[in-house]
Amino acid sequence: EAGVTQSPTHLIKTRGQQATLRCSPISGHTSVYWYQQALGLGLQFLLWYDEGEERNRGNFPPRFSGRQFPNYSSELNVNALELEDSALYLCASSFLASGGIPTDTQYFGPGTRLTVL
Amino acid sequence: AQSVTQLGSHVSVSEGALVLLRCNYSSSVPPYLFWYVQYPNQGLQLLLKYTTGATLVKGINGFEAEFKKSETSFHLTKPSAHMSDAAEYFCAVSDGAGGTSYGKLTFGQGTILTVHP
Repeated sequence: EAGVTQSPTHLIKTRGQQATLRCSPISGHTSVYWYQQALGLGLQFLLWYDEGEERNRGNFPPRFSGRQFPNYSSELNVNALELEDSALYLCASSFLASGGIPTDTQYFGPGTRLTVL
Repeated sequence: AQSVTQLGSHVSVSEGALVLLRCNYSSSVPPYLFWYVQYPNQGLQLLLKYTTGATLVKGINGFEAEFKKSETSFHLTKPSAHMSDAAEYFCAVSDGAGGTSYGKLTFGQGTILTVHP
């Protein structure tokens, strides 16, 4: 069974540009999560999508946004890039149990390393 | 609000020695607890998890952890370290069923494990 996949592996942008990162969840998983792993800041929760809807959002500015497609894949968009957006962006997936409660385990992809110059 | 504290950003052991990585958490609801491992330039791999039931949980690669509610701890151990265990380890907490912080894993700052021959 294929795991979570992310593209591209590396992305280099300049300050002020926009970045688009993509994620494909494990087959059968409907929830996609995004995390930022920045040097010195650790792993921070960004966004959670399920069934095309944004379900939860971390403490990030609105220029971080995303969407989930009908096939459950997801995009993370970062507008007006700043130098401090340089980080590894990790995507994870899981499926929801009945009643809309998240199941217990998130499975992570290999990440996209974003460098802002 | 949830939080996770990993005691010791770096732990160094000799090959064959006991590995002990410490994790304390705070949560307003019964937590789900996880340990993930991250090898250089890779995503996160789940080692083990605690949701409900038996408080001693066994994971992959010989690791285990014990949930101690009275101490709000979830320390990770392995009886005998291998060189291949060298990596960064993250403890994480999420709300259990009924929690309001849906879909969010809160991570500790990570512990880098070095294994000496």
